[in-house]
Amino acid sequence: DARVTQTPRHKVTEMGQEVTMRCQPILGHNTVFWYRQTMMQGLELLAYFRNRAPLDDSGMPKDRFSAEMPDATLATLKIQPSEPRDSAVYFCASGLFNTGQPQHFGDGTRLSIL
Amino acid sequence: LAKTTQPISMDSYEGQEVNITCSHNNIATNDYITWYQQFPSQGPRFIIQGYKTKVTNEVASLFIPADRKSSTLSLPRVSLSDTAVYYCLVGPRFSGGYNKLIFGAGTRLAVHP
Repeated sequence: DARVTQTPRHKVTEMGQEVTMRCQPILGHNTVFWYRQTMMQGLELLAYFRNRAPLDDSGMPKDRFSAEMPDATLATLKIQPSEPRDSAVYFCASGLFNTGQPQHFGDGTRLSIL
Repeated sequence: LAKTTQPISMDSYEGQEVNITCSHNNIATNDYITWYQQFPSQGPRFIIQGYKTKVTNEVASLFIPADRKSSTLSLPRVSLSDTAVYYCLVGPRFSGGYNKLIFGAGTRLAVHP
């Protein structure tokens, strides 16, 4: 089965450090989504891309978060500087635009900011 | 996007049928109903999607009444491995040009021996 791959699976770092999370979408998928999951807020959409172009990043704190797709096989989510409140599980999902087919999720990056 | 309401938690026993109902009173004409399942330390996994009446696949059935203001996910003969959080979502299948998903709190299903 084709899968969305996220790295690293776990990341622990100190406040103020830069954090980069990576996602390899399923080959051929042209939409990529970043979600954040916390106990308090549940699953929240941060940003999404179609054909590598950012379409909506309204859910993302702009001052410290940035999302990019350097190429069709890699999406990145960066936090700089990181803060303890950023501790969460970050999920990437990919899908095919306008097909009604479901999004496929990776298994997430569990981020802990000390 | 329509808001959904589902029970916070449910308990069942192995071999039983489990029905999880989701309310979506403000569902729009072009909205579909989608269910995802999430195990600990994993991302959500698509289970089933439907628009009206009944949809069945190898994992579950989805029952949608004529008014579409609610839906019921049915899991036949659950096992311990079905213990997970189940999310009900509604939204346009072609979502105005993107497949944006809004997750609620989900239903935490615990299956006991």
